[in-house]
Amino acid sequence: EIVLTQSPGTLSLSPGERATLSCRASQSVSSSYLAWYQQKPGQAPRLLIYGASSRATGIPDRFSGSGSGTDFTLTISRLEPEDFAVYYCQQYGSSHPNPGYTFGQGTKLEIK
Amino acid sequence: QVQLQESGPGLVKPSQTLSLTCTVSGGSISSGSYYWSWIRQPAGKGLEWIGRIYTSGSTNYNPSLKSRVTISVDTSKNQFSLKLSSVTAADTAVYYCASVVVTPNVYFDLWGRGTLVTVSS
Repeated sequence: EIVLTQSPGTLSLSPGERATLSCRASQSVSSSYLAWYQQKPGQAPRLLIYGASSRATGIPDRFSGSGSGTDFTLTISRLEPEDFAVYYCQQYGSSHPNPGYTFGQGTKLEIK
Repeated sequence: QVQLQESGPGLVKPSQTLSLTCTVSGGSISSGSYYWSWIRQPAGKGLEWIGRIYTSGSTNYNPSLKSRVTISVDTSKNQFSLKLSSVTAADTAVYYCASVVVTPNVYFDLWGRGTLVTVSS
C-alpha cells in the first residue's frame, strides 16, 4: 500500500500570503492518479486538483498543483479568508488484484 | 446536476451490522463513467477509503476492512449500499458516499454530505 505523508501538519499564515503544502508518497505515483481536496468543518471534502495539476470545475486559479513521482505540491498563491481549511492529497494504486485509494493525513491551514 | 445522499441508522450497537444507502439523483448510476465508493472519517481524523463498486457489481475493498465489508448496487433504484459487520466503537465515523472518475484521471469528484454513524450500546 502506498502511504502519503503530508507536511506540514499545520500551517499558520495570514490572508494574502502564499501557501505551499507538500504530499510525499512512499513509492512512485502516476500523476494521473494524484488529487487534492479541501475540507471545511462540518462539510464533505471538495475536489480541488486532479491529475496532479488540473483544477476542478469552479476552482479559482490561485490554487495550483504540481509534482511527479513521489513529491507533489499544492500551492495557494494568495490566501483568501475562505481558504483556511484542511487539505488532503489522495492517490489511486492500480495494483492487481487489490486496487485502492489512500489519503494523506491532512494539512490544516490556519489563520495566523 | 448529479447529487449523492447517504441514509441509514445513526446508531448501531456493537457487534451488529452497519447498513447505509447512497441515493444518486440527477443522473444514472449506470452511466458507466464512474465507480461508486464509500469513505469514512472518524471525528477529528483523516479520510479512509472503504471500498468501491462498478455498475456491473464488480467490487474492490480496503484490505483492512475487507473481511467485514459488502458493497452492493441497485441500478433500478439508482442506489448503492454499504454493509459493515461486527462493528465496534472504532467504526464510529462520518460515512461519505462518492463518485469516482476513473478515466483518464482517477479522483473522487462528487461527495454526499455525509452521515454520522455512532457505535454504542
